Amino acid sequence: GAGVSQSPSNKVTEKGKDVELRCDPISGHTALYWYRQRLGQGLEFLIYFQGNSAPDKSGLPSDRFSAERTGESVSTLTIQRTQQEDSAVYLCASSLGTGLGGELFFGEGSRLTVL
Amino acid sequence: DQQVKQNSPSLSVQEGRISILNCDYTNSMFDYFLWYKKYPAEGPTFLISISSIKDKNEDGRFTVFLNKSAKHLSLHIVPSQPGDSAVYFCAASEGNTPLVFGKGTRLSVIA
Repeated sequence: GAGVSQSPSNKVTEKGKDVELRCDPISGHTALYWYRQRLGQGLEFLIYFQGNSAPDKSGLPSDRFSAERTGESVSTLTIQRTQQEDSAVYLCASSLGTGLGGELFFGEGSRLTVL
Repeated sequence: DQQVKQNSPSLSVQEGRISILNCDYTNSMFDYFLWYKKYPAEGPTFLISISSIKDKNEDGRFTVFLNKSAKHLSLHIVPSQPGDSAVYFCAASEGNTPLVFGKGTRLSVIA
């Protein structure tokens, strides 16, 4: 498709398990972002990839969270030893670049529920 | 500490009237502001933006106003339509930094 694709759309896991969330950005978009939205909260920035530069990991809430991106394509967000407070919708977005005019195109999100 | 604040979690407006959604920010270095709209079970979609060198940007029924001295922006929708019912997020960025989002305001347009 032409948009940002995320999988799985829903994931239920037990506390302590690891999960992987996948994002396929729009072709040609050099910037890729992960945000999360916990219940009743806004979109919380997690990590950002721009081309071949080192990722900006400043938003990752703990060392249980990590993300990888292969070139300018697919990205995987990994959460190790999940906790109940990790329950949220994880949103991936891509853009042509950053700064002024850097409009983000979001996927539909991956809803994670940690029991 | 929230840098982008949307103090009204919800707003209800009659169809045909004006909807005004407000957003305040604390970082005076923000130079680009956007509004996103989100329907349930969908990702946010871009609606309208404004750079800090302007105080108004209009696109059809949507107008964004920026008051830099007050660190305040607002989104006006007129006339409001039932299809406008959604959660609206205000977002801001400083240079090449990732967007910072508010908590959102849920708009309900009543027919």
